[in-house]
Amino acid sequence: DTGVSQDPRHKITKRGQNVTFRCDPISEHNRLYWYRQTLGQGPEFLTYFQNEAQLEKSRLLSDRFSAERPKGSFSTLEIQRTEQGDSAMYLCASSLGPGQGHEQYFGPGTRLTVT
Amino acid sequence: AQSVTQLGSHVSVSEGALVLLRCNYSSSVPPYLFWYVQYPNQGLQLLLKYTTGATLVKGINGFEAEFKKSETSFHLTKPSAHMSDAAEYFCAVSVRAGNMLTFGGGTRLMVKP
Repeated sequence: DTGVSQDPRHKITKRGQNVTFRCDPISEHNRLYWYRQTLGQGPEFLTYFQNEAQLEKSRLLSDRFSAERPKGSFSTLEIQRTEQGDSAMYLCASSLGPGQGHEQYFGPGTRLTVT
Repeated sequence: AQSVTQLGSHVSVSEGALVLLRCNYSSSVPPYLFWYVQYPNQGLQLLLKYTTGATLVKGINGFEAEFKKSETSFHLTKPSAHMSDAAEYFCAVSVRAGNMLTFGGGTRLMVKP
């Protein structure tokens, strides 16, 4: 049984560049979540999917951010025109569908540094 | 909207001493409550959860937490700290099963030999 995986683990980019992160959830999990964690803070919710449908987006998710889960399996999070304030750890989590389980299982995260 | 407050961003205990990490929440509906642990440069690992039923819940690594509705609290305890418990601990709440988590700011636990 493999857990949630994320790729890459680290990304350094220059301001203004676009970046894309990938998350592979636990295989039988229907729900997939993205969170952002800045240094010394708790994770903050960005968005989540039920299968391929994006059900909720945080106000933190500006127009420069877009997330997809095209086939209801892996997901990508893209940040366009990165800014230094985007530097953070981006965490992905997955869980079973509603009524089937409450806990979310987290991946190791992708640490983004914008220079 | 729900929120979580963790009192004490840093807690230091001696090895073998009691660990107590505080968490208070606000929620307009009965909450689901969680404690997660995070080691440096890693993701979050679930320690324990409260959904319904027994208010004292036991988790991994000897941790437990008690849901107290009247105090809107969900404090995490461990009778005897080990060096390996040194990490960041996060309390989180959700208002529906499978819904987004709202996290507290975290408490860094340091264990002195």
